[in-house]
Amino acid sequence: GESVGLHLPTLSVQEGDNSIINCAYSNSASDYFIWYKQESGKGPQFIIDIRSNMDKRQGQRVTVLLNKTVKHLSLQIAATQPGDSAVYFCAEFASGGGADGLTFGKGTHLIIQP
Amino acid sequence: NAGVMQNPRHLVRRRGQEARLRCSPMKGHSHVYWYRQLPEEGLKFMVYLQKENIIDESGMPKERFSAEFPKEGPSILRIQQVVRGDSAAYFCASSPEAPRTNYGYTFGSGTRLTVV
Repeated sequence: GESVGLHLPTLSVQEGDNSIINCAYSNSASDYFIWYKQESGKGPQFIIDIRSNMDKRQGQRVTVLLNKTVKHLSLQIAATQPGDSAVYFCAEFASGGGADGLTFGKGTHLIIQP
Repeated sequence: NAGVMQNPRHLVRRRGQEARLRCSPMKGHSHVYWYRQLPEEGLKFMVYLQKENIIDESGMPKERFSAEFPKEGPSILRIQQVVRGDSAAYFCASSPEAPRTNYGYTFGSGTRLTVV
């Protein structure tokens, strides 16, 4: 089955509010995680990444948190804007073996309401 | 830098025909990956190639699918005798280094294959 998954298929937030998108993974060997944003008709766009030796990483308006104990990953988007509306995927990579590709979750559709 | 270029953007094929999807990696990138995305799902890894070599095809269906990345020209994903279940978006990504050292993946905009 899926080793990376998301808890909610759709998340609706008011413009200006903060949003949190969650992701669970099951592969203990995964040591690198990426959040992607995919807008309709486009390819995934890199947002932020984190390695397993970290538990938090911040970017511009985004923060990724990693809890290895419970195999949980989250993406926080501050002060959401209409342009943040998209599907968000977490992806993982295990450097110790397995396929040379990323394993993606199914995605959360973030809807920003005016 | 034009990014990862995929063509065509949309491709319609009748059942039994062949589909050819092309991917030109970013300048300076010698590692290419193909992914398939079914509606309402995440991307699924298919194959990883370097110039003239298939490195990992663990996600590729055993029959009808093949991929190449020749010394000159784009990477090609070929699907023979397409069936309706092949309808999906196919994304290509490229990176400057091998996936276990630098993960600077960049995705193209994809090819939407529709089998009728």
